Amino acid sequence: NAGVTQTPKFRVLKTGQSMTLLCAQDMNHEYMYWYRQDPGMGLRLIHYSVGEGTTAKGEVPDGYNVSRLKKQNFLLGLESAAPSQTSVYFCASSYGTLPLEQYFGPGTRLTVT
Amino acid sequence: AQKVTQAQTEISVVEKEDVTLDCVYETRDTTYYLFWYKQPPSGELVFLIRRNSFDEQNEISGRYSWNFQKSTSSFNFTITASQVVDSAVYFCALSEAGNYGGSQGNLIFGKGTKLSVKP
Repeated sequence: NAGVTQTPKFRVLKTGQSMTLLCAQDMNHEYMYWYRQDPGMGLRLIHYSVGEGTTAKGEVPDGYNVSRLKKQNFLLGLESAAPSQTSVYFCASSYGTLPLEQYFGPGTRLTVT
Repeated sequence: AQKVTQAQTEISVVEKEDVTLDCVYETRDTTYYLFWYKQPPSGELVFLIRRNSFDEQNEISGRYSWNFQKSTSSFNFTITASQVVDSAVYFCALSEAGNYGGSQGNLIFGKGTKLSVKP
């Protein structure tokens, strides 16, 4: 089992460019999440999904969109990247709500210049 | 509102010392879960423990132990006889049942404590 994987691992974008981050899990988890991690801020939830075809906003959703067309994949899109979106992005998944134990991917380091 | 506070930003100890990482949480929910995650220098997040609000028993796993006290809303983490491999950022997190408007199941993270263990 690969667990949770993220593609790409690193990316540099110019302001205004768009990109999509891919998260895949092979654990048949219902729930999937996207977080961003900034120095001194901990992890903050961007969007999450409670099942295929559903998405919901987290704490910091502005500037991002997500899609969950397949149960095993959760895509995070940046339509027009801004320097404020420079961060490390983590995807996570879990079996369900409670008890909730999230399994994390290795992260994607994104720099927007 | 739900919140997790890790007041210690950075801690530095010498190998074999014991160290306690503090975690204080806020929630109106009566059913909730508390977690600790470890983030080593390689960057991945590793799950360490989950504790529910109805179980205040302390837990020990090898050199790791956790002290959950509802009276002080704290869930502290102690590493006994620390080792260099314990160097990491440690996150405490809270997940609510959602009975008071919080998002059920979502993890609310503290800002983390960076632990450096020197040889």
